[in-house]
Amino acid sequence: KQEVTQIPAALSVPEGENLVLNCSFTDSAIYNLQWFRQDPGKGLTSLLLIQSSQREQTSGRLNASLDKSSGRSTLYIAASQPGDSATYLCAVRTYDMRFGAGTRLTVKP
Amino acid sequence: SAVISQKPSRDICQRGTSLTIQCQVDSQVTMMFWYRQQPGQSLTLIATANQGSEATYESGFVIDKFPISRPNLTFSTLTVSNMSPEDSSIYLCSVLGGYNEQFFGPGTRLTVL
Repeated sequence: KQEVTQIPAALSVPEGENLVLNCSFTDSAIYNLQWFRQDPGKGLTSLLLIQSSQREQTSGRLNASLDKSSGRSTLYIAASQPGDSATYLCAVRTYDMRFGAGTRLTVKP
Repeated sequence: SAVISQKPSRDICQRGTSLTIQCQVDSQVTMMFWYRQQPGQSLTLIATANQGSEATYESGFVIDKFPISRPNLTFSTLTVSNMSPEDSSIYLCSVLGGYNEQFFGPGTRLTVL
């Protein structure tokens, strides 16, 4: 059974800092990995999708990497802003989709 | 990408009553999913709903408690029946788009008193 772990559970940084969120998974036989953003009490917004054959994807200030063999993905956020404050969820698709518990990010002005 | 809307966005209900949540997608999709997110927790899949067939429920979820309808390729409903305070959660509708990218609706925030 696929298990997804996200570290750290919470992170607080000053505005402008570059930061890395980590995601690990136990079964490397994945179809894809997806990073989501969730604001309090809201739904999930898809940020980046990485197919199993890809190593990384970029969108604006966000860069996600995938290392299937080691069961790891990282989400890099450059020049963080207060508007980036949210919970970031990693999800891995094998025969179904499994979610990590999320990293709650606070960016302080 | 798929644009998903849900109604209601939030509701406060009394114990023992039922609530039906609607999910509308702006394009035809084969697979729709219903998730629950309890306070402070990650997402848990309730069931997968394919048009023209019975929904498939995950372990711990039953049709009598969470009946689902899927009348066409753009719409689904989830009913939370005989509610108790433990059903207080965010309920999320989701679809699978191109390249197996998953998209989510804005959620329905349910509070049961």
